[in-house]
This record gives sequence, C-alpha cells and structure tokens, in this order.
Amino acid sequence: DAMVIQNPRYQVTQFGKPVTLSCSQTLNHNVMYWYQQKSSQAPKLLFHYYDKDFNNEADTPDNFQSRRPNTSFCFLDIRSPGLGDAAMYLCATSSPLGLRTDTQYFGPGTRLTVL
Amino acid sequence: AQSVTQPDIHITVSEGASLELRCNYSYGATPYLFWYVQSPGQGLQLLLKYFSGDTLVQGIKGFEAEFKRSQSSFNLRKPSVHWSDAAEYFCAVAPSYNFNKFYFGSGTKLNVKP
Repeated sequence: DAMVIQNPRYQVTQFGKPVTLSCSQTLNHNVMYWYQQKSSQAPKLLFHYYDKDFNNEADTPDNFQSRRPNTSFCFLDIRSPGLGDAAMYLCATSSPLGLRTDTQYFGPGTRLTVL
Repeated sequence: AQSVTQPDIHITVSEGASLELRCNYSYGATPYLFWYVQSPGQGLQLLLKYFSGDTLVQGIKGFEAEFKRSQSSFNLRKPSVHWSDAAEYFCAVAPSYNFNKFYFGSGTKLNVKP
C-alpha cells in the first residue's frame, strides 16, 4: 500500500562524508519534491523535478544535489554534510495538470544525523 | 507575498474534548488550502484539502475544516479528540496555478491529556 517510500528511515553520516537518500513512488506522479525539515519547523522546499526537468530553489545550497533516473525514483545527494544539515528529509509527489496545483503526498521521511 | 500563520505553537486538550486549530493566510486570490498531520518521526499525512465549492470540508480521522474567505482562515476542528490525535499539525496554502509553491505554517503541536 505504501505510495511514497523513503530509504533509509534513519541515516547517520560523518561530517563531510557524502550521503545519498532515496525516494520511490508507486503513484506514477510526474512531480517529485525534496524538503528539509528541521526540528519544530515547517518543511522547506529544496528542489523538485517535473518529469525530467530539475528546478532548484534559489536558496538551496550547492551542497545539495538530486537525481531522477526514472519516474519512480528520486535521490537526494548531500556532497559534504555539515552539522547544520542534520534534519528530516521529506520526499513528496504530486500530479499537477500543467502548472495547476495538486495535492502533495509525502513519504515517511529520512532522519539524517551528522556526527 | 503569501504567508501562513498558525498562532498556536502548542495546544493541550483533554481526551474527549473538542479541538480547533487556527490557520490564517495572506494571499491575493482564493488559494488551495491543506491540513497535514505529522506524528513524531513520521512524514506528513494529508487530513483534508479545499480547492473550491463547499467551504466546510470533511477529512479523515473525523477532522473537518472551514474556509472563511472574509477572515482569511481555514481552521481545523474535531468534536472529540482521541489520545492518538497527539501530533503536529501543519496548515499549507498554495496558489492554484503554481504547483510547486506550498507555503507551510510553522505547525501546532497537539498534546492530549488522559
């Protein structure tokens, strides 16, 4: 039944050691999003893919990259994690018609710890 | 600029009591409105949404919300709270024509007393 799946649920990495978070979806949605959520804060959009088109938010650090090899999968790469990157990372999907807004469906998140 | 305000950071209610979580938004046109719930260590689950039509919207888990254009509000209500409702609740606003612009409120943490 799971629609948006994130792996792993918990990830521990060392300061400066690259890490990859994974998201997959069974909804066949054409848009996939990555959000960063720090403790007791609202989710913050990092970037999204509309099909294969990548769209970065203006304030997303260069340290964060993403890949979407196919419709179902999307990856978040953190090239050199810093202590400030410790957060919950949420993947979401939606199926807008053109630019028209539609509901976003979220995965369970990956909790990243940076030592 | 669009913004969403959830004035209550924490709310505590007794089990069985009624609940209302407030959400106010700032937006020039009628937005799309959402309420999500987040249990500790979990992702966001959609409770309900308003796009158009009837301003009283029914959602899952016995929740409802009412869109009041004159007050720019979309408050979430539940007549009788259960202990399992303890979680954080996020209101979100999005323009109808820009699918990647979801503006989230800062959240309201709900505690439920036995």
